[in-house]
Amino acid sequence: GAGVSQSPSNKVTEKGKDVELRCDPISGHTALYWYRQSLGQGLEFLIYFQGNSAPDKSGLPSDRFSAERTGGSVSTLTIQRTQQEDSAVYLCASSPGLGAGAWFFGPGTRLTVL
Amino acid sequence: RKEVEQDPGPFNVPEGATVAFNCTYSNSASQSFFWYRQDCRKEPKLLMSVYSSGNEDGRFTAQLNRASQYISLLIRDSKLSDSATYLCGTQDSGYALNFGKGTSLLVTP
Repeated sequence: GAGVSQSPSNKVTEKGKDVELRCDPISGHTALYWYRQSLGQGLEFLIYFQGNSAPDKSGLPSDRFSAERTGGSVSTLTIQRTQQEDSAVYLCASSPGLGAGAWFFGPGTRLTVL
Repeated sequence: RKEVEQDPGPFNVPEGATVAFNCTYSNSASQSFFWYRQDCRKEPKLLMSVYSSGNEDGRFTAQLNRASQYISLLIRDSKLSDSATYLCGTQDSGYALNFGKGTSLLVTP
């Protein structure tokens, strides 16, 4: 079956603009996670969703970041008033359930803020 | 102190060599452990889960030492295609996977 998909694959934007990143998890996976990875850095946890429960936003770096998940499936990560330090690869992952073993990552969105 | 630490390497080894990586974790409540492989400019892909009894998948062997709080990955008979960054991940009773920054492996002819 299809894996996790993300769009766009690349996004170049100007400082101060808003961007939306999309994630389609594997069908049937109830848990969805957003991470970001900066050059030479590890994976930084941002937010997670479990089904239709309220998300845990504790990893979001600032209030410019928000995310939603509609219908327990597709998720959108929004970054408002982008800054250069937001440049990174934003990775989405899904798993069958909360704490339920292996995760599968999407190919990521490479965000460049000029 | 980071929750999960790895030697960044790079580990440069010749084809056919055996190489081992360790990963230490600080949270004694960690319950699940994984090794992921990440190729350059690609997403991490699950290599193997790590079980308490240790587990093997072909040329790859993973072990967990709870007392010393580390996991290891052993690669035997290294191939050129094994060149990648290897990330370890730990998960406690919560939800997020905590990742190390990865260990870079370069297998040379």
